[in-house]
Amino acid sequence: GAVVSQHPSRVICKSGTSVKIECRSLDFQATTMFWYRQFPKQSLMLMATSNEGSKATYEQGVEKDKFLINHASLTLSTLTVTSAHPEDSSFYICSGWGATDTQYFGPGTRLTVL
Amino acid sequence: DQQVKQNSPSLSVQEGRISILNCDYTNSMFDYFLWYKKYPAEGPTFLISISSIKDKNEDGRFTVFLNKSAKHLSLHIVPSQPGDSAVYFCAARSSGGSQGNLIFGKGTKLSVKP
Repeated sequence: GAVVSQHPSRVICKSGTSVKIECRSLDFQATTMFWYRQFPKQSLMLMATSNEGSKATYEQGVEKDKFLINHASLTLSTLTVTSAHPEDSSFYICSGWGATDTQYFGPGTRLTVL
Repeated sequence: DQQVKQNSPSLSVQEGRISILNCDYTNSMFDYFLWYKKYPAEGPTFLISISSIKDKNEDGRFTVFLNKSAKHLSLHIVPSQPGDSAVYFCAARSSGGSQGNLIFGKGTKLSVKP
């Protein structure tokens, strides 16, 4: 299957700092990528849809000024959590549709805000 | 309001027997369904999918059945192996076309006992 990478896999930061998470599609091009978050023992919740060359589309209740998304190329989308707070601690996962009509997911990034 | 429901949070099966994971949905506009397997702190791994024009898709030990009239799908794993122990998510593609986002159920934790 197609490969999606995320970096970093784990990050710990202090409250008030900003954290950038990178998502790369390694063997396919993605005009659209998705950012999800998962709280412990809960399902994956879509945060936003990242569109190459245009603004991201955010789900209801997700602050666009807090979760900045940039999709600068067909293989890279970034999520920046600005002024992070402990309640932003979560598991963030990105995904994109590969050529075989399958949505492939990255390995996820564990964010811990102290 | 949950559009994709996995009503069994957990399932325990003996090695070699069949595992049946169920999923119900409410939105008749969903046109594509996928099953993912997920380990803790990892991204979901694609298993198998089915289009709404089909009622069955098989890939090795995995078979997905779709009953559109009942808005129900199930994943059969046979024979079950201890390595199948993980959380299984059912996902449906929204009406955003081929690049639409996925809506996930809450997952079913499968435990396959040797």
